[in-house]
Amino acid sequence: GQSLEQPSEVTAVEGAIVQINCTYQTSGFYGLSWYQQHDGGAPTFLSYNALDGLEETGRFSSFLSRSDSYGYLLLQELQMKDSASYFCAVRDPRNQAGTALIFGKGTTLSVSS
Amino acid sequence: DAGITQSPRYKITETGRQVTLMCHQTWSHSYMFWYRQDLGHGLRLIYYSAAADITDKGEVPDGYVVSRSKTENFPLTLESATRSQTSVYFCASSEFGATNEKLFFGSGTQLSVL
Repeated sequence: GQSLEQPSEVTAVEGAIVQINCTYQTSGFYGLSWYQQHDGGAPTFLSYNALDGLEETGRFSSFLSRSDSYGYLLLQELQMKDSASYFCAVRDPRNQAGTALIFGKGTTLSVSS
Repeated sequence: DAGITQSPRYKITETGRQVTLMCHQTWSHSYMFWYRQDLGHGLRLIYYSAAADITDKGEVPDGYVVSRSKTENFPLTLESATRSQTSVYFCASSEFGATNEKLFFGSGTQLSVL
């Protein structure tokens, strides 16, 4: 079957760096996505890694190691507004009519001053 | 305005009633999805659609029905609501490709079944 494991909670202070890990188990792997969700809001796309290595987008970076079935989201220069839940996601290979994403249970990041 | 919209934003219903949640997107994305979000479970896929008239079950389809007669609409119906279906429901759309897995989510519908 498919599974994604990520820590349930992470805490950090403003200005710090935090890494949120995600390990996955799935067949038919395409890539690893990351989404951010603020309290009461909708999930929004952050990044997608199809190849091994680090992808940087401003203060956020995402890493993938296909051989280790592992990835992480790196948040630098943390700000209070980064307090949110972060989800990793992979394609669900089970469906015959197309495809969809399945999500990890999410990591709640709390940033304090 | 372009985007993906869900209605209603909030809904309270009673056990046994039929409820339909609406989802409309203006991008002409091929793929549309319904997820439910509950504490401790993250986002779980209910149903998805790869195109008009093509739908498939996700992780938790029991008790739900979907249809997609037009590309832009993807309603989700709870045929006989149960308390366990109290949740936040998110609709999403995408144009999946070899290097594109970006989903666009609606604002969600908070459903309470009493």
